[in-house]
Amino acid sequence: SAVISQKPSRDICQRGTSLTIQCQVDSQVTMMFWYRQQPGQSLTLIATANQGSEATYESGFVIDKFPISRPNLTFSTLTVSNMSPEDSSIYLCSVLGQGSTEAFFGQGTRLTVV
Amino acid sequence: GEDVEQSLFLSVREGDSSVINCTYTDSSSTYLYWYKQEPGAGLQLLTYIFSNMDMKQDQRLTVLLNKKDKHLSLRIADTQTGDSAIYFCAGLSGYSTLTFGKGTMLLVSP
Repeated sequence: SAVISQKPSRDICQRGTSLTIQCQVDSQVTMMFWYRQQPGQSLTLIATANQGSEATYESGFVIDKFPISRPNLTFSTLTVSNMSPEDSSIYLCSVLGQGSTEAFFGQGTRLTVV
Repeated sequence: GEDVEQSLFLSVREGDSSVINCTYTDSSSTYLYWYKQEPGAGLQLLTYIFSNMDMKQDQRLTVLLNKKDKHLSLRIADTQTGDSAIYFCAGLSGYSTLTFGKGTMLLVSP
């Protein structure tokens, strides 16, 4: 199984500021994913981060708001830009393990925007 | 796209069996997953089943898949208070797209 570390685990931020969330995996993976889980809701895929190319964003999410970096096969960052209270959510990083059958998740970053 | 539905809440007594149900719409889903989310935590992969299987057992967990009805269930035997959590069903379609249900909150009372 893949071990995924996310930082920070939680943060309280002022509206209008930006927060960068880091995701570190203990093995090389081709695809990394960023999800959002709004309070009391299920998970929604924000984007897929591939190393060496631009991230692919899902409908409703744009690069200007959620820029993503993927500098190598074990690391990715998600930035939540120009935050508003509506961005208060848990943000989770995910990877597909060997053979692409098991999807593993980080412990999440609980973001509160005030 | 895929749509995944779950009942929202289940309450059982400690020692009983719990059955959490899920339906999905995409018949091309290759793998179906069950995740557990405890308060304030990320998602823990519990088990998964390949779409050409009917059943998978892993210790106290039994997954049943009825592909004809697109119905997936997770049975937890001898449910413990530590099993109290939200359980998410998810389907993998295409190469990498995971679609999640809204989650079932399992409450286990002593």
